[in-house]
Amino acid sequence: GESVGLHLPTLSVQEGDNSIINCAYSNSASDYFIWYKQESGKGPQFIIDIRSNMDKRQGQRVTVLLNKTVKHLSLQIAATQPGDSAVYFCAERSSNYQLIWGAGTKLIIKP
Amino acid sequence: DTGVSQNPRHKITKRGQNVTFRCDPISEHNRLYWYRQTLGQGPEFLTYFQNEAQLEKSRLLSDRFSAERPKGSFSTLEIQRTEQGDSAMYLCASSFDVTEAFFGQGTRLTVV
Repeated sequence: GESVGLHLPTLSVQEGDNSIINCAYSNSASDYFIWYKQESGKGPQFIIDIRSNMDKRQGQRVTVLLNKTVKHLSLQIAATQPGDSAVYFCAERSSNYQLIWGAGTKLIIKP
Repeated sequence: DTGVSQNPRHKITKRGQNVTFRCDPISEHNRLYWYRQTLGQGPEFLTYFQNEAQLEKSRLLSDRFSAERPKGSFSTLEIQRTEQGDSAMYLCASSFDVTEAFFGQGTRLTVV
């Protein structure tokens, strides 16, 4: 079946360092992937997306990498700041345009 | 604020009561989605609308759950005869066709 999961439930990073959050997906037919950030008590916030015809996309301080060979997605956050503390979800778009979500990775920023 | 708006933000209800949540999407968005999220988990898809048509419902959406979007703008999600297992965050999102979805702040339901 279709599933999206995350490798680590919690990631602790020193403020100023780069963060890398990983995600594995199982549906090789998925054509679109999104990273969302969710702060406590709030709805998910769109960060960046990538289509399956790309392997890298950059935003402001964030980069998403897609490796279709091993069905792996990662989110890189440069110069991590306290405001980056949140739970990060990757989601893949299935064939019927639903988003399939993983369980999330909690990013903790150490001062 | 022109984002997705959900009301109420919090709802505490007794088991067996009915509850209704409202979602106002971003005005130009034709798609509206309902999700349910429990602590530590990603959102689970419940249903979505394209304009006023409800195009898909998850098997999670039991017969106690009903959603409407009568004029293709705001939507309501009703849960009848609530159970403790219904306690969760109910999230609404909207998008224009298959572009990225924008989420509201959610309605946190607690069934006691």
